[in-house]
Amino acid sequence: EAGVAQSPRYKIIEKRQSVAFWCNPISGHATLYWYQQILGQGPKLLIQFQNNGVVDDSQLPKDRFSAERLKGVDSTLKIQPAKLEDSAVYLCASSLLTLKGGLAGTDTQYFGPGTRLTVL
Amino acid sequence: QKEVEQNSGPLSVPEGAIASLNCTYSDRGSQSFFWYRQYSGKSPELIMFIYSNGDKEDGRFTAQLNKASQYVSLLIRDSQPSDSATYLCAVNGDNQGGKLIFGQGTELSVKP
Repeated sequence: EAGVAQSPRYKIIEKRQSVAFWCNPISGHATLYWYQQILGQGPKLLIQFQNNGVVDDSQLPKDRFSAERLKGVDSTLKIQPAKLEDSAVYLCASSLLTLKGGLAGTDTQYFGPGTRLTVL
Repeated sequence: QKEVEQNSGPLSVPEGAIASLNCTYSDRGSQSFFWYRQYSGKSPELIMFIYSNGDKEDGRFTAQLNKASQYVSLLIRDSQPSDSATYLCAVNGDNQGGKLIFGQGTELSVKP
């Protein structure tokens, strides 16, 4: 079974530029998550989708970050304009979880390789 | 603010010893608990999850959950140098949403 795919793996940009990340979840996984992981910290959830709807975006800085999952499969996360403090690894994860619940373990999240963003 | 706390370490143990990693959480309603391993420069990799009070064993790994004390731990028996990594505790307080709250991670170093 293929895992979560992400691209690019690395990105270096200057502040005030824009950048976009792409994620393809595990086939059949309804829920997709974007996390930000700053060096030395645990991942922090930015946004959660179930199919093509947003479940939680309470920690997404909406003045500069946006995300979409139009067809309920792939997702893109965009930052515009980038700031120095956006330097981090952006992780995409997916799970089988649906809002109707499910068997134990369906909320288990599997992570992609991440995109390391450096803002200069 | 729902929180998950871990000692950042580093925790250093000799090869073959038992490594004990601890985690406390603030949301008493939390239902699902996960341990992830993260090698330097890599993404988190699931080790195991636990839902019920008590112990859950998987090979050399044992997760322990005590909901009354809001405490979850991970024991690694017969530690190997390849176990050297950062271990992340994650808590899902809302089974409908699936949102995970992560601790800051504990760095484990297993010395040959």
